[in-house]
Amino acid sequence: KNQVEQSPQSLIILEGKNCTLQCNYTVSPFSNLRWYKQDTGRGPVSLTIMTFSENTKSNGRYTATLDADTKQSSLHITASQLSDSASYICVVNAMEYGNKLVFGAGTILRVKS
Amino acid sequence: DSGVTQTPKHLITATGQRVTLRCSPRSGDLSVYWYQQSLDQGLQFLIQYYNGEERAKGNILERFSAQQFPDLHSELNLSSLELGDSALYFCASSEDPGQGLYEQYFGPGTRLTVT
Repeated sequence: KNQVEQSPQSLIILEGKNCTLQCNYTVSPFSNLRWYKQDTGRGPVSLTIMTFSENTKSNGRYTATLDADTKQSSLHITASQLSDSASYICVVNAMEYGNKLVFGAGTILRVKS
Repeated sequence: DSGVTQTPKHLITATGQRVTLRCSPRSGDLSVYWYQQSLDQGLQFLIQYYNGEERAKGNILERFSAQQFPDLHSELNLSSLELGDSALYFCASSEDPGQGLYEQYFGPGTRLTVT
């Protein structure tokens, strides 16, 4: 059973629009939750890292939120650009497994003009 | 550019063969991680080395092995290859001995195709 589930699986939006990606996790306890952006065929790049005590963190047009009580996180992208087209991966640092990263399957975002 | 290099970029080989993937971490990073990303699947953690020693193990098959050398570069050895081993293999590096709050910087990956 996947311990980190993301939705939607894929999403198409128009350039300039906002969108929100969801991440639900069952990993517990955890020390931090990360969001990565992965362009096709390339390595993931970190967007945000939040500890369990943080509720929100921003990185430019990207804003991540975390609700540790409901075990949910979201990534909000503002004023989308064509270059935002990528896979967005939610990752939980699972303390139970010796601080190993547990990856979600990702949400594939396509921004079209 | 993350500063992590991986070679080769592409590798095509036959079932039953053995291959070696190489990774050079960012300057100053002592931790190296290996990940596998199969088609339409998320990244799977395989193994971590810190300063030459194995630090953590994930879903790594017995047919796979890795090591980190004194100059901190790492190699992932895949043997008795099967069709299902076809995937992107990523290396990442970090200052962190564990997987705490330190950033992990990913390399460009090696695409392995087993025919």
